[in-house]
Amino acid sequence: KAGVTQTPRYLIKTRGQQVTLSCSPISGHRSVSWYQQTPGQGLQFLFEYFSETQRNKGNFPGRFSGRQFSNSRSEMNVSTLELGDSALYLCASSLVMPGWGDGYTFGSGTRLTVV
Amino acid sequence: SQELEQSPQSLIVQEGKNLTINCTSSKTLYGLYWYKQKYGEGLIFLMMLQKGGEEKSHEKITAKLDEKKQQSSLHITASQPSHAGIYLCGADETQGGSEKLVFGKGTKLTVNP
Repeated sequence: KAGVTQTPRYLIKTRGQQVTLSCSPISGHRSVSWYQQTPGQGLQFLFEYFSETQRNKGNFPGRFSGRQFSNSRSEMNVSTLELGDSALYLCASSLVMPGWGDGYTFGSGTRLTVV
Repeated sequence: SQELEQSPQSLIVQEGKNLTINCTSSKTLYGLYWYKQKYGEGLIFLMMLQKGGEEKSHEKITAKLDEKKQQSSLHITASQPSHAGIYLCGADETQGGSEKLVFGKGTKLTVNP
């Protein structure tokens, strides 16, 4: 089966701009979670969506937002980019509830560089 | 909130040697995941452990969950260069009826031929 697809793989943006990242989960998976990975903070949870509803949100400013479409594809948006937003952004999909089934399956990530 | 501490932070071994990575939780572990990550890439699922005392193996990698000690260990037997990467443990944390993963900082493994 096809894995989790994240696009684009790499992005370079300027401070103050906004960016949208996309994640297509494994077919049949309805839950999509987003994580930010930086060298200093490691992997941190951003938010989780299920059936187009945000069920859980991490401790990130309101500049970070997301949504999920009826086909379970998800997007996350970061507005007014700051240098500290440079990171690897990973999304993970799971069947129904994170932790059920065969766990979380992660995509290859989007590497965002803010200059 | 739950915190996971991994040890060691980095490990350099000679090919063929055995090694162990530990993951200690600040709270009782109900679901523990092990992932492997190549630099700058996504996480590859290795194993999920849910019951205290549970042990799972895949090829030369064995993971065990010791619920009483709030700890999990990942053991690699006869390491190979293909085992090199960053190993991350993650734990299920329930929040507001939903679950998320909290991760350790990772253990960087280097295997020298």
